[in-house]
Amino acid sequence: AQTVTQSQPEMSVQEAETVTLSCTYDTSESDYYLFWYKQPPSRQMILVIRQEAYKQQNATENRFSVNFQKAAKSFSLKISDSQLGDAAMYFCASNPLYFGNEKLTFGTGTRLTIIP
Amino acid sequence: DGGITQSPKYLFRKEGQNVTLSCEQNLNHDAMYWYRQDPGQGLRLIYYSQIVNDFQKGDIAEGYSVSREKKESFPLTVTSAQKNPTAFYLCASKLAGGRADTQYFGPGTRLTVL
Repeated sequence: AQTVTQSQPEMSVQEAETVTLSCTYDTSESDYYLFWYKQPPSRQMILVIRQEAYKQQNATENRFSVNFQKAAKSFSLKISDSQLGDAAMYFCASNPLYFGNEKLTFGTGTRLTIIP
Repeated sequence: DGGITQSPKYLFRKEGQNVTLSCEQNLNHDAMYWYRQDPGQGLRLIYYSQIVNDFQKGDIAEGYSVSREKKESFPLTVTSAQKNPTAFYLCASKLAGGRADTQYFGPGTRLTVL
């Protein structure tokens, strides 16, 4: 069984500044994927970044990076140089690595506001 | 363009009616999923299908039904047995194989019961 916890219902950041969104998880699986998805006002879920748990190197996608602490079961998202278009709900999620155990488990989300 | 389409974008249902939400993908993905999203909550899995003519219940399957007759299509029927169907419904798909891959989502359908 997996659980994902996002303890920050809302966050705000000044435009061009850096913000970090927190996520902790629990899983009985030995290998798994971790994801951050963005849901803008249009409500479509958009993949931001993905981390394979067996890789020690933190994933990076342009202004988005993660701090993956496997022992602590922590997976935070850092957004650098925040832009107005980053305003959205952000969901942390996890699923087991191997096909056949398909459940993608989501946290409850963090609403990010960008202050101009 | 490759992608996932959901229709309609908005759907209104009267009490006691069944309604069907459409999900189509042209990404040649094997697996497809239906999620429900309520305010203040994350997504919860309703049903998923890894292959044509096969599907499994997720966490909240009661009051819903699905079919998977074609690889490209995975319609969801919300039946009158679903007690509180007003929600936002998202369809997703991904490649299958030995290692799980990323799920990609459609634009969603907002269902309101009148």
